[in-house]
Amino acid sequence: KAGVTQTPRYLIKTRGQQVTLSCSPISGHRSVSWYQQTPGQGLQFLFEYFSETQRNKGNFPGRFSGRQFSNSRSEMNVSTLELGDSALYLCASSLGLAGSDEQYFGPGTRLTVT
Amino acid sequence: QQQVKQSPQSLIVQKGGIPIINCAYENTAFDYFPWYQQFPGKGPALLIAIRPDVSEKKEGRFTISFNKSAKQFSLHIMDSQPGDSATYFCAATISGNTPLVFGKGTRLSVIA
Repeated sequence: KAGVTQTPRYLIKTRGQQVTLSCSPISGHRSVSWYQQTPGQGLQFLFEYFSETQRNKGNFPGRFSGRQFSNSRSEMNVSTLELGDSALYLCASSLGLAGSDEQYFGPGTRLTVT
Repeated sequence: QQQVKQSPQSLIVQKGGIPIINCAYENTAFDYFPWYQQFPGKGPALLIAIRPDVSEKKEGRFTISFNKSAKQFSLHIMDSQPGDSATYFCAATISGNTPLVFGKGTRLSVIA
């Protein structure tokens, strides 16, 4: 069974630009969660999607948004990038709701904002 | 109340030693406590998890000890090996209700 895949793996953007990251969950998984990982703050929850609906949202500004498609693939978008958005963005999928079933993480997308 | 405090930040042990990583939480509604292992360039991978109805769980060389009254849980790695060198994260959640809340991580180095 293929694992969680994330594209692109690395991205360099300029402050003020916007970016879209993609996540393909494990086949059959309906929940996709997004996390931001930084050395200072650790892993912080961004949002969770289940069956195309946002179920939970973390404490991030509205510049961070996401969506899930009918095939469970998910995208997250960050608009008006700031230097502080530089981080590893991780996607995790689970069969059922996050917290009810084991979450499997992808390798992440390393975003650098200059 | 949603925080999970993890210590130490970093840990160096010799091969064969037993590193212990501790986590503490405040929210008594948490009912699922997983540990994740992350190698450089990889996403976190679930190592072992426990629910509050048991005080200890072992899987291979990894053991979770859980103290409900103290609101603490810890990870022990028996006979540690250099291949165990990684960053370890504890987490907690209310099943089916809230997302995982992660500790800040512990960077473990096992030296030969």
